[in-house]
Amino acid sequence: QVQLQQRGAGLLKPSETLSLTCDVYGGAFSGYYWSWIRQPPGKGLEWIGEINHSGSTNYNPSLKSRVTISVDTPKYQFSLKLTSVTAADTAVYYCARGLPWGTGTNKYFDPWGQGNLVTVSS
Amino acid sequence: DTVMTQSPESLAVSLGERATINCKSSQSLLYSSNNKNSLAWYQQKPGQPPKLLIYWASTRQSGVPDRFSGSGSGTDFTLTISSLQAEDVAVYYCQQYYSTPYSFGQGTKLEIK
Repeated sequence: QVQLQQRGAGLLKPSETLSLTCDVYGGAFSGYYWSWIRQPPGKGLEWIGEINHSGSTNYNPSLKSRVTISVDTPKYQFSLKLTSVTAADTAVYYCARGLPWGTGTNKYFDPWGQGNLVTVSS
Repeated sequence: DTVMTQSPESLAVSLGERATINCKSSQSLLYSSNNKNSLAWYQQKPGQPPKLLIYWASTRQSGVPDRFSGSGSGTDFTLTISSLQAEDVAVYYCQQYYSTPYSFGQGTKLEIK
């Protein structure tokens, strides 16, 4: 059974760079798209972007100028960097596997990582 | 971008009764290559990540109780819980995956009456 384990800093100051990594255990890595999704406290879900094992990415245009998603396929991990953070970036950040398997970019998500609360505060 | 709108925002239903949550998309989610609708439903309990319940609008994820069902096509979709159980208290989200950026509804909070 695939499990996603997230890690990264939880407290940032404005203008710093958010950095999170998601490790994938117990299943195949190649052939899937891997996504980052965030949820501000008490609010809904926002898709940030996705990457596949070969490094092909798609980003949400609302964040594209500040987001980089990268992959390290041999290590079964992918990472998120979000630059120039502000208080509006305070959220729980989730990593998730996109389904179905394959090259198409029409993905729903399962499973999800446990979530990382990232707080931006001076 | 595709906007997803859920209704109602909150819902209180008695145990054993039916709960119905609606989701409307700003454009059709019917995927021509397989004639299926690119719509998923998730359940989120406090302090937990969302859990996939339904995909392709009506296909139940493995392990999801059969009291959960999805229906609809095009732009209008419904999640139905046929007989509400206490453990179904949660926030429910729909998600379109017809096109990027993928987008979610704002959520429907389901409580026990």
